[in-house]
Amino acid sequence: QSALTQPASVSGSPGQSITISCTGTSSDVGSYNLVSWYQQHPGKAPKLMTYEVSKRPSGVSNRFSGSKSGNTASLTISGLQAEDEADYYCCSYAGSSTLVFGGGTKLTVL
Amino acid sequence: QLQLQESGPGLVKPSETLSLTCTVSGGSISSRSYYWGWIRQPPGKGLEWIGSIYYSGSTYYNPSLKSRVTISVDTSKNHFSLKLSSVTAADTAVYYCARRSGSHIDYWGQGTLVTVSS
Repeated sequence: QSALTQPASVSGSPGQSITISCTGTSSDVGSYNLVSWYQQHPGKAPKLMTYEVSKRPSGVSNRFSGSKSGNTASLTISGLQAEDEADYYCCSYAGSSTLVFGGGTKLTVL
Repeated sequence: QLQLQESGPGLVKPSETLSLTCTVSGGSISSRSYYWGWIRQPPGKGLEWIGSIYYSGSTYYNPSLKSRVTISVDTSKNHFSLKLSSVTAADTAVYYCARRSGSHIDYWGQGTLVTVSS
C-alpha cells in the first residue's frame, strides 16, 4: 500500500482556478469512486472538502469540486481566495476497509 | 455537535509502547454507521492512516504498521484507544483520532503530539 502521488506544490492568483492531481493505482483510486480531499491549515486538524469523488459536505463552498479519471483524481478550486492557502491531501479507499492518503500539496495564493 | 479528544503521554521512550485514548462526546461510539480510527502526521510531513475499528470490535490496520498496532474500543466509556509497540523516533508525530463515515473522515480530533525520545 503506497501513498498516492500529489504534486508538492501548486500556486495561483486570486480569482484564478487551480487543479491538484492525485495519482494512485488500479488497486485504490482506479477501482473505487471513494476518493476524498482534505484541507489543512497550519497547526489545525484536516477538514473534509469533498468525498466519494465529487460530493461536498454541507458548508463547503461550491468553489471546491472533485473529479476522477482512471487512476487519477483531481481537486479543482475556482475563484481562488487568500483563505484557500493551505495544504491539501487526497485519500482513497484501498480495499479490505483500508485507506491510503496522498503525500500532500501546498497551495500558495500569490 | 460531535467532538473527539485525544489524551495520553506526550513523550515515549524508544522501544516502549505508545498509548493514546480518544474520548467521543456528542454522539455514541456504538453507532452502526461509523468506524473510529487513528491518523498520524510526522512534523512537516503528510498524513498516514493507521487503522480503524467498528463498534463491534472489528479492526482494520495499515499493512505497514499492522504488526505493531492495536486499536480497541470501550463502548461503556464511549472511547477507543491506540497502542503502538516498539516505537522509534520515526513514530514521532501528531496523532489524530477521527470518525470515519464509509471511506472518508468527517470528524477529527484536535491532534496530540507524541515525541519518541530517551
